[in-house]
Amino acid sequence: GAGVSQSPSNKVTEKGKDVELRCDPISGHTALYWYRQSLGQGLEFLIYFQGNSAPDKSGLPSDRFSAERTGGSVSTLTIQRTQQEDSAVYLCASSLRAGGAADTQYFGPGTRLTVL
Amino acid sequence: QKEVEQNSGPLSVPEGAIASLNCTYSDRGSQSFFWYRQYSGKSPELIMFIYSNGDKEDGRFTAQLNKASQYVSLLIRDSQPSDSATYLCAVNVRSGGSNYKLTFGKGTLLTVNP
Repeated sequence: GAGVSQSPSNKVTEKGKDVELRCDPISGHTALYWYRQSLGQGLEFLIYFQGNSAPDKSGLPSDRFSAERTGGSVSTLTIQRTQQEDSAVYLCASSLRAGGAADTQYFGPGTRLTVL
Repeated sequence: QKEVEQNSGPLSVPEGAIASLNCTYSDRGSQSFFWYRQYSGKSPELIMFIYSNGDKEDGRFTAQLNKASQYVSLLIRDSQPSDSATYLCAVNVRSGGSNYKLTFGKGTLLTVNP
């Protein structure tokens, strides 16, 4: 594709429900990153993938958060038993390869999650 | 010390002036440095990157890198109101073993006044 795509663009859910957010990276990009951004705040790193492996999951806030990537392409971020503090914009980015000069990240439009 | 630090601002400059945005980083092993711009309600977009000490110019933007001082800056010449945004500095830092991860500062809010 021409750029990173994310779906849905907006998600409103009730507290306690599970949600899945999807990211489709730029074709040929092997690295994929998930970030969270609350209103007026900076980017909070969640997890990144190099291929299908996740070398760094240190940013996942709790065990309610998980992510997977299959086929070295699409990634899904799952939040179980959502809480109101999970409300934020979830951004995905991809790059040719994690680390070094090739790690120029390109961002998707984000998914705005609202937990009622 | 945080891995990537920026002054949160806001930085306010008049139209036509030079805006100077600064960033420091803690990992001496970092090799790649990026500047992103984020308009309110939008995703970050890449402005430019720099790998070598010195200056790198791209149109009205100049990135400056000083690895000895662990300092990277972005100058915006002839600032325009459309440059008003949050500017994010990003640096590749070690992420365990031989892995590196792009780490973002919290951003500096720039306002250019007409």
